[in-house]
Amino acid sequence: GAVVSQHPSWVICKSGTSVKIECRSLDFQATTMFWYRQFPKQSLMLMATSNEGSKATYEQGVEKDKFLINHASLTLSTLTVTSAHPEDSSFYICSARDLRPIGGPPYSLHFGNGTRLTVT
Amino acid sequence: DAKTTQPTSMDCAEGRAANLPCNHSTISGNEYVYWYRQIHSQGPQYIIHGLKNNETNEMASLIITEDRKSSTLILPHATLRDTAVYYCIVRVGHYGQNFVFGPGTRLSVLP
Repeated sequence: GAVVSQHPSWVICKSGTSVKIECRSLDFQATTMFWYRQFPKQSLMLMATSNEGSKATYEQGVEKDKFLINHASLTLSTLTVTSAHPEDSSFYICSARDLRPIGGPPYSLHFGNGTRLTVT
Repeated sequence: DAKTTQPTSMDCAEGRAANLPCNHSTISGNEYVYWYRQIHSQGPQYIIHGLKNNETNEMASLIITEDRKSSTLILPHATLRDTAVYYCIVRVGHYGQNFVFGPGTRLSVLP
Protein backbone atom coordinates (compact mmCIF):
# COMPACT_ATOMS: atom_id res chain seq x y z
CA GLY A 1 0.00 0.00 0.00
CA ALA A 2 0.87 3.66 -0.18
CA VAL A 3 3.62 4.73 2.21
CA VAL A 4 4.45 8.13 3.60
CA SER A 5 7.87 8.48 5.18
CA GLN A 6 8.52 11.19 7.72
CA HIS A 7 11.98 12.12 8.93
CA PRO A 8 13.28 12.49 11.55
CA SER A 9 11.10 10.49 13.91
CA TRP A 10 12.29 12.53 16.83
CA VAL A 11 14.47 15.59 17.34
CA ILE A 12 15.69 17.61 20.28
CA CYS A 13 16.84 21.15 19.66
CA LYS A 14 17.78 24.21 21.63
CA SER A 15 15.52 27.21 21.90
CA GLY A 16 16.09 29.68 19.07
CA THR A 17 17.27 27.14 16.52
CA SER A 18 15.40 25.89 13.45
CA VAL A 19 14.32 22.35 12.70
CA LYS A 20 13.35 20.85 9.33
CA ILE A 21 10.98 17.91 9.04
CA GLU A 22 10.64 15.99 5.77
CA CYS A 23 7.58 14.21 4.46
CA ARG A 24 7.92 11.92 1.45
CA SER A 25 5.38 9.89 -0.46
CA LEU A 26 7.34 6.78 -1.42
CA ASP A 27 5.23 5.06 -4.06
CA PHE A 28 2.75 7.66 -5.25
CA GLN A 29 2.64 11.27 -6.25
CA ALA A 30 1.03 13.75 -3.95
CA THR A 31 0.13 17.21 -5.19
CA THR A 32 -1.28 17.97 -1.76
CA MET A 33 0.17 17.21 1.63
CA PHE A 34 -1.14 18.22 5.04
CA TRP A 35 0.74 19.09 8.19
CA TYR A 36 -0.79 18.43 11.61
CA ARG A 37 0.30 19.11 15.16
CA GLN A 38 -0.75 17.01 18.11
CA PHE A 39 -0.26 17.89 21.76
CA PRO A 40 -0.37 15.18 24.45
CA LYS A 41 -3.79 13.59 24.91
CA GLN A 42 -5.28 15.80 22.20
CA SER A 43 -6.43 15.13 18.67
CA LEU A 44 -4.64 16.10 15.49
CA MET A 45 -4.97 19.75 14.55
CA LEU A 46 -4.39 20.82 10.97
CA MET A 47 -1.68 23.42 10.63
CA ALA A 48 -1.40 23.90 6.90
CA THR A 49 -2.08 22.46 3.48
CA SER A 50 0.96 22.10 1.27
CA ASN A 51 0.48 22.33 -2.48
CA GLU A 52 3.16 21.31 -4.94
CA GLY A 53 4.54 24.30 -6.79
CA SER A 54 2.56 26.92 -4.90
CA LYS A 55 2.31 28.58 -1.51
CA ALA A 56 0.96 26.66 1.43
CA THR A 57 -2.39 27.50 2.97
CA TYR A 58 -2.22 28.02 6.72
CA GLU A 59 -5.00 27.50 9.24
CA GLN A 60 -6.11 30.37 11.39
CA GLY A 61 -3.73 31.04 14.22
CA VAL A 62 -0.74 29.29 12.62
CA GLU A 63 2.15 31.66 11.92
CA LYS A 64 3.34 31.17 8.36
CA ASP A 65 6.66 32.87 9.05
CA LYS A 66 7.36 30.51 11.91
CA PHE A 67 6.29 27.29 10.23
CA LEU A 68 7.79 27.39 6.76
CA ILE A 69 6.44 24.87 4.30
CA ASN A 70 8.04 23.95 1.00
CA HIS A 71 6.51 21.47 -1.44
CA ALA A 72 9.07 21.46 -4.21
CA SER A 73 8.20 18.13 -5.82
CA LEU A 74 5.32 15.69 -6.10
CA THR A 75 6.87 13.45 -3.47
CA LEU A 76 8.40 15.81 -0.92
CA SER A 77 7.12 18.46 1.44
CA THR A 78 9.15 19.99 4.25
CA LEU A 79 8.11 21.83 7.40
CA THR A 80 10.69 24.08 9.04
CA VAL A 81 10.04 25.28 12.56
CA THR A 82 12.01 28.50 12.77
CA SER A 83 13.34 29.99 16.00
CA ALA A 84 11.83 27.13 17.95
CA HIS A 85 10.65 27.68 21.51
CA PRO A 86 9.65 25.18 24.20
CA GLU A 87 5.96 25.77 23.44
CA ASP A 88 6.60 24.42 19.93
CA SER A 89 7.39 21.04 21.44
CA SER A 90 4.81 18.70 19.98
CA PHE A 91 4.15 15.72 17.73
CA TYR A 92 4.11 16.82 14.07
CA ILE A 93 2.44 14.56 11.53
CA CYS A 94 2.22 14.85 7.77
CA SER A 95 -0.20 13.21 5.41
CA ALA A 96 -0.43 12.92 1.66
CA ARG A 97 -3.38 12.36 -0.59
CA ASP A 98 -3.14 9.57 -3.12
CA LEU A 99 -5.06 10.76 -6.14
CA ARG A 100 -5.29 7.32 -7.70
CA PRO A 101 -5.53 4.79 -4.88
CA ILE A 102 -5.74 1.16 -5.81
CA GLY A 103 -8.15 -0.67 -3.56
CA GLY A 104 -8.28 2.20 -1.11
CA PRO A 105 -10.92 4.76 -0.26
CA PRO A 106 -11.58 7.66 -2.59
CA TYR A 107 -8.88 10.30 -2.23
CA SER A 108 -7.47 8.42 0.71
CA LEU A 109 -5.07 10.07 3.08
CA HIS A 110 -1.87 8.31 4.09
CA PHE A 111 -0.05 9.44 7.19
CA GLY A 112 3.56 9.52 8.19
CA ASN A 113 4.61 8.16 11.55
CA GLY A 114 5.15 11.60 13.00
CA THR A 115 8.06 13.61 14.38
CA ARG A 116 8.40 14.21 18.09
CA LEU A 117 9.96 17.67 18.54
CA THR A 118 11.36 18.66 21.91
CA VAL A 119 12.69 22.17 22.32
CA THR A 120 14.87 22.73 25.38
CA ASP B 1 -18.13 18.13 6.67
CA ALA B 2 -20.60 16.54 9.10
CA LYS B 3 -19.68 16.52 12.77
CA THR B 4 -19.29 13.20 14.54
CA THR B 5 -19.63 12.22 18.18
CA GLN B 6 -17.93 9.23 19.75
CA PRO B 7 -17.60 7.95 23.32
CA THR B 8 -14.44 9.19 24.98
CA SER B 9 -13.21 5.76 25.97
CA MET B 10 -14.08 2.08 25.93
CA ASP B 11 -12.66 -1.15 27.30
CA CYS B 12 -12.75 -4.54 25.63
CA ALA B 13 -11.53 -7.95 26.72
CA GLU B 14 -8.87 -9.54 24.57
CA GLY B 15 -10.37 -11.96 22.06
CA ARG B 16 -13.82 -10.41 22.25
CA ALA B 17 -15.44 -8.18 19.65
CA ALA B 18 -14.95 -4.45 20.09
CA ASN B 19 -17.91 -2.37 18.92
CA LEU B 20 -17.14 1.33 18.54
CA PRO B 21 -20.12 3.59 17.86
CA CYS B 22 -20.18 6.89 16.01
CA ASN B 23 -23.05 9.34 15.59
CA HIS B 24 -23.18 11.52 12.49
CA SER B 25 -26.75 12.73 12.44
CA THR B 26 -26.06 15.62 10.04
CA ILE B 27 -24.38 13.51 7.38
CA SER B 28 -25.31 14.39 3.82
CA GLY B 29 -25.92 12.04 0.93
CA ASN B 30 -22.49 12.33 -0.67
CA GLU B 31 -20.46 12.00 2.51
CA TYR B 32 -18.48 8.87 3.31
CA VAL B 33 -17.77 7.47 6.77
CA TYR B 34 -14.07 6.82 7.34
CA TRP B 35 -12.41 5.15 10.31
CA TYR B 36 -8.78 5.68 11.25
CA ARG B 37 -6.89 4.67 14.35
CA GLN B 38 -3.81 6.03 16.04
CA ILE B 39 -1.60 3.83 18.12
CA HIS B 40 0.43 5.74 20.67
CA SER B 41 3.15 7.94 19.14
CA GLN B 42 2.37 6.86 15.58
CA GLY B 43 0.55 8.43 12.67
CA PRO B 44 -3.11 7.58 12.00
CA GLN B 45 -3.78 4.34 10.15
CA TYR B 46 -6.67 3.81 7.74
CA ILE B 47 -9.09 1.06 8.79
CA ILE B 48 -12.19 1.12 6.63
CA HIS B 49 -14.68 3.38 4.91
CA GLY B 50 -18.27 3.18 3.65
CA LEU B 51 -21.03 5.18 2.04
CA LYS B 52 -24.31 3.31 2.50
CA ASN B 53 -23.66 -0.40 2.60
CA ASN B 54 -21.97 -2.36 5.33
CA GLU B 55 -18.33 -3.06 4.61
CA THR B 56 -15.81 -5.64 5.75
CA ASN B 57 -12.09 -5.98 5.23
CA GLU B 58 -9.25 -7.86 6.87
CA MET B 59 -9.13 -5.42 9.76
CA ALA B 60 -12.73 -4.66 10.64
CA SER B 61 -16.38 -4.40 9.71
CA LEU B 62 -18.35 -1.21 9.33
CA ILE B 63 -22.08 -1.22 9.98
CA ILE B 64 -23.97 1.88 8.80
CA THR B 65 -27.59 2.37 9.83
CA GLU B 66 -30.20 2.65 7.11
CA ASP B 67 -30.72 6.38 7.78
CA ARG B 68 -26.89 6.78 7.82
CA LYS B 69 -27.05 8.82 11.00
CA SER B 70 -24.80 6.46 12.90
CA SER B 71 -22.32 3.68 12.34
CA THR B 72 -20.40 1.06 14.30
CA LEU B 73 -16.87 -0.14 13.75
CA ILE B 74 -16.43 -3.77 14.75
CA LEU B 75 -13.09 -5.38 15.51
CA PRO B 76 -14.17 -9.03 15.59
CA HIS B 77 -11.43 -10.43 17.82
CA ALA B 78 -9.65 -7.62 19.60
CA THR B 79 -5.99 -8.07 20.52
CA LEU B 80 -3.75 -6.03 22.78
CA ARG B 81 -2.27 -4.42 19.67
CA ASP B 82 -5.68 -2.93 18.88
CA THR B 83 -5.35 -0.57 21.85
CA ALA B 84 -5.47 2.85 20.21
CA VAL B 85 -7.54 5.97 19.65
CA TYR B 86 -10.17 5.37 16.96
CA TYR B 87 -11.40 8.26 14.86
CA CYS B 88 -14.68 8.33 12.97
CA ILE B 89 -14.58 10.95 10.21
CA VAL B 90 -17.30 11.95 7.79
CA ARG B 91 -16.39 13.79 4.64
CA VAL B 92 -17.14 14.10 1.00
CA GLY B 93 -15.14 11.57 -1.00
CA HIS B 94 -13.77 13.84 -3.64
CA TYR B 95 -10.76 16.05 -4.04
CA GLY B 96 -11.49 18.59 -1.35
CA GLN B 97 -10.57 19.51 2.18
CA ASN B 98 -8.50 17.48 4.54
CA PHE B 99 -9.82 15.12 7.20
CA VAL B 100 -10.98 16.83 10.39
CA PHE B 101 -10.15 14.75 13.44
CA GLY B 102 -12.36 14.87 16.52
CA PRO B 103 -11.26 13.57 19.91
CA GLY B 104 -11.97 9.94 18.94
CA THR B 105 -12.54 6.93 21.21
CA ARG B 106 -9.68 5.61 23.28
CA LEU B 107 -10.04 1.81 23.13
CA SER B 108 -8.22 -0.21 25.74
CA VAL B 109 -8.01 -3.95 25.09
CA LEU B 110 -7.53 -5.70 28.39
CA PRO B 111 -5.81 -9.11 28.87
